[in-house]
Amino acid sequence: AQKITQTQPGMFVQEKEAVTLDCTYDTSDQSYGLFWYKQPSSGEMIFLIYQGSYDEQNATEGRYSLNFQKARKSANLVISASQLGDSAMYFCAMRESTSGTYKYIFGTGTRLKVLA
Amino acid sequence: KAGVTQTPRYLIKTRGQQVTLSCSPISGHRSVSWYQQTPGQGLQFLFEYFSETQRNKGNFPGRFSGRQFSNSRSEMNVSTLELGDSALYLCASSLKTRQGQETQYFGPGTRLLVL
Repeated sequence: AQKITQTQPGMFVQEKEAVTLDCTYDTSDQSYGLFWYKQPSSGEMIFLIYQGSYDEQNATEGRYSLNFQKARKSANLVISASQLGDSAMYFCAMRESTSGTYKYIFGTGTRLKVLA
Repeated sequence: KAGVTQTPRYLIKTRGQQVTLSCSPISGHRSVSWYQQTPGQGLQFLFEYFSETQRNKGNFPGRFSGRQFSNSRSEMNVSTLELGDSALYLCASSLKTRQGQETQYFGPGTRLLVL
């Protein structure tokens, strides 16, 4: 079973609009972390945002926010006021902590295209 | 502050050879992680080092190894290269705050092609 699921292979959004990229996860651990990354066509990976499983507030970082719904096991990324430079591949990832060791799992990504 | 640097940026090797990739983290960062990205398998975690100790390891064969030096620079080595090792290898250094917040910084990656 997929531990990280990104159901949207591709998405379009109009410039200046908000967009939500979906991510659901599956874990039985109590302690885990959720990450979002952006990868433009140039290939470099950019860390966007992190949410710990014990964090009660949704993480925010500039125009990025993580809509963390623990009971539903979802960690959607919200990008407000989209810009042309937001066109990229976006990956959701989870880090499970079990007995002091970490296990990282990545989603398959969502390709976002921002339209002018 | 200088960012994370990775060398070399591009590499072509033949099957059976070995390769060593290098990663220099941001000054002051003691945690370095390595990832492999391929079209078929996507992104996969290789290993994480902290203060010269391998703290975590992904599900890769023993041909993949790494180490971290006292200046936090890290190397990863792949021996007996296979065609399937062709990938983008990414290195990241990270910083955790006392409040548990974490930020990661990635290098530009090394593109390895195995012929």
